[in-house]
Amino acid sequence: IVMTQSPDSLAVSLGERATINCKSSQSVLFSSNNKNYLAWYQQKPGQPPTLLISWASTRGSGVPDRFSGSGSETDFTLSISSLQAEDVAVYYCHQYYSPPHTFGQGTKLEIK
Amino acid sequence: EVQLVESGGGLVQPGGSLRLSCAASGFTFSSYWMHWVRQAPGKGLVWVSHISFDGTTINYADSVKGRFTISRDNAKNTLYLEMNGLRAEDTAVYYCVRDSGCPDFWGQGTLVTVSS
Repeated sequence: IVMTQSPDSLAVSLGERATINCKSSQSVLFSSNNKNYLAWYQQKPGQPPTLLISWASTRGSGVPDRFSGSGSETDFTLSISSLQAEDVAVYYCHQYYSPPHTFGQGTKLEIK
Repeated sequence: EVQLVESGGGLVQPGGSLRLSCAASGFTFSSYWMHWVRQAPGKGLVWVSHISFDGTTINYADSVKGRFTISRDNAKNTLYLEMNGLRAEDTAVYYCVRDSGCPDFWGQGTLVTVSS
């Protein structure tokens, strides 16, 4: 499954909304449990990735509620409702529906 | 506190071998699937392999199949990645990742450099 993110980079003003899209080449929705096997990670420079969103829309432990995930089957979105300075990072989508698991190419988010 | 501590990285010549380890603590290691994910310098994340909680189910990325072997020792709370036939394109930080239904917790990584 090929994961394609858009855009590759994004500059947003502090307090404004940031939106990152992710498209999978085939559905990652498992019909038996109606769950999308799609996660979003944040990676800051020099650090390992951290989980933001699992199952397409479930925020990880301790993740601020300005982060939200949506979408189903092949089209997904990560939104940051009000950009903070600490949100500057690279964001990756990831499908864990079937091996080989795959990541999007990453979206670099900067402050405008 | 959940901890994953990778070790075993370093400089190796093309064609050489390395064994990475990931020591887990702060959770019941034997109940979790585990992954290896790598990241070449300045590049994105690439999934390498995963192993079921009991070691009976294993999958690999095509790029490492036949060269890398994932394994685990639940008695020692340790995940391994045996890497043979290393190539320059295997140069990367290798992360150990816990899976709680979704890959959720990442170690700090260990750097593998393949160069003559």
